[in-house]
Amino acid sequence: DGGITQSPKYLFRKEGQNVTLSCEQNLNHDAMYWYRQDPGQGLRLIYYSQIVNDFQKGDIAEGYSVSREKKESFPLTVTSAQKNPTAFYLCASSPGTSGGVGYFGPGTRLTVL
Amino acid sequence: RKEVEQDPGPFNVPEGATVAFNCTYSNSASQSFFWYRQDCRKEPKLLMSVYSSGNEDGRFTAQLNRASQYISLLIRDSKLSDSATYLCVVRGGMGFNTGNQFYFGTGTSLTVIP
Repeated sequence: DGGITQSPKYLFRKEGQNVTLSCEQNLNHDAMYWYRQDPGQGLRLIYYSQIVNDFQKGDIAEGYSVSREKKESFPLTVTSAQKNPTAFYLCASSPGTSGGVGYFGPGTRLTVL
Repeated sequence: RKEVEQDPGPFNVPEGATVAFNCTYSNSASQSFFWYRQDCRKEPKLLMSVYSSGNEDGRFTAQLNRASQYISLLIRDSKLSDSATYLCVVRGGMGFNTGNQFYFGTGTSLTVIP
């Protein structure tokens, strides 16, 4: 089955630790995205990548880093510099054309203890 | 100004009712338009794309007015299972960096009451 997978589903982190969230897709999509969603709020773009080895900052990139070494994979690292990392993190992918639909993974809930 | 604006609701309607959601977008160069549904603590899922001529999928009808930069979603004969948050999403615009981005409204909450 084609789709997007994210792992882990739930993640607990101590303050001061870096953590990496996984996102993999087998849809052969060029573009991948990371969003953050806080309770009762909309999605905010963290980073996006339109092609392998290239990515751009979104609206709230501070305290986060990404890599895009393979088309299928777009991991997100939440660093200790992120002041309030507890949130629901969603990865998405889409065809590279502007008309393509976006498909989301099931998300990772990160809680900082 | 936000790229996409929606009335957050909540909308509480009885089963069988018709309910309409509206959305406006700010970038006239936007090229693609969608409605997504998000259930509590789940990821957003595509409900339907929105085409210039308007389109229907069962009980759901979407309309696009490019001149007014306005998108709507109409749900007829509401079911309990329609209870969710509905996200208005716009894609595309001028420039390489913005052309492939998705812009999300904050969502409109719908609860269908027995």
